[in-house]
Amino acid sequence: DQQVKQNSPSLSVQEGRISILNCDYTNSMFDYFLWYKKYPAEGPTFLISISSIKDKNEDGRFTVFLNKSAKHLSLHIVPSQPGDSAVYFCAGTMDSNYQLIWGAGTKLIIKP
Amino acid sequence: DTEVTQTPKHLVMGMTNKKSLKCEQHMGHRAMYWYKQKAKKPPELMFVYSYEKLSINESVPSRFSPECPNSSLLNLHLHALQPEDSALYLCASSQYGTGVSPLHFGNGTRLTVT
Repeated sequence: DQQVKQNSPSLSVQEGRISILNCDYTNSMFDYFLWYKKYPAEGPTFLISISSIKDKNEDGRFTVFLNKSAKHLSLHIVPSQPGDSAVYFCAGTMDSNYQLIWGAGTKLIIKP
Repeated sequence: DTEVTQTPKHLVMGMTNKKSLKCEQHMGHRAMYWYKQKAKKPPELMFVYSYEKLSINESVPSRFSPECPNSSLLNLHLHALQPEDSALYLCASSQYGTGVSPLHFGNGTRLTVT
């Protein structure tokens, strides 16, 4: 049972435009979500997170939106830059739990 | 530069070998983790140490044996591995051992079992 789904394996966006990465979840017990970015041959890097009591969190060019009723979150990157080309993982968790439930990842390609 | 250091970067071992992976962090984090990642898949949790004690073992085969000598170091001892164990092994740390505490990953050890 995939509790966190990233249905787009890959996404191609023009440099300077907005990148929108989507994530759906089924476990209503999740109260915290995190996004990680991974370059080839490196470990994942924490990008941004959001608590379920919020619907938006912003950090520079990165904004995460949470729609609890739809069990959907999205990561917006504006403007997209070539260095943003990477695999992006969405993960859900419960505050009391150690365990992150990961999505399968979306490969973002920024075209010059 | 990553703040979690893993050695070696690459390792090739036979099925009868014994080897160890090492991980070090100096951020004062109280939780350390071993993850395994296969190509085009998300990281898969193996072990969690919280305050130097093993708190989680995700039903990992006994051919993988973790060790936490102190709060900054984490080892993964490997013995009698199978070819399907070939993967990227990632070490991570977090301030606390809960999911909301962001993980800081090392760059991993690429393991090939022949």
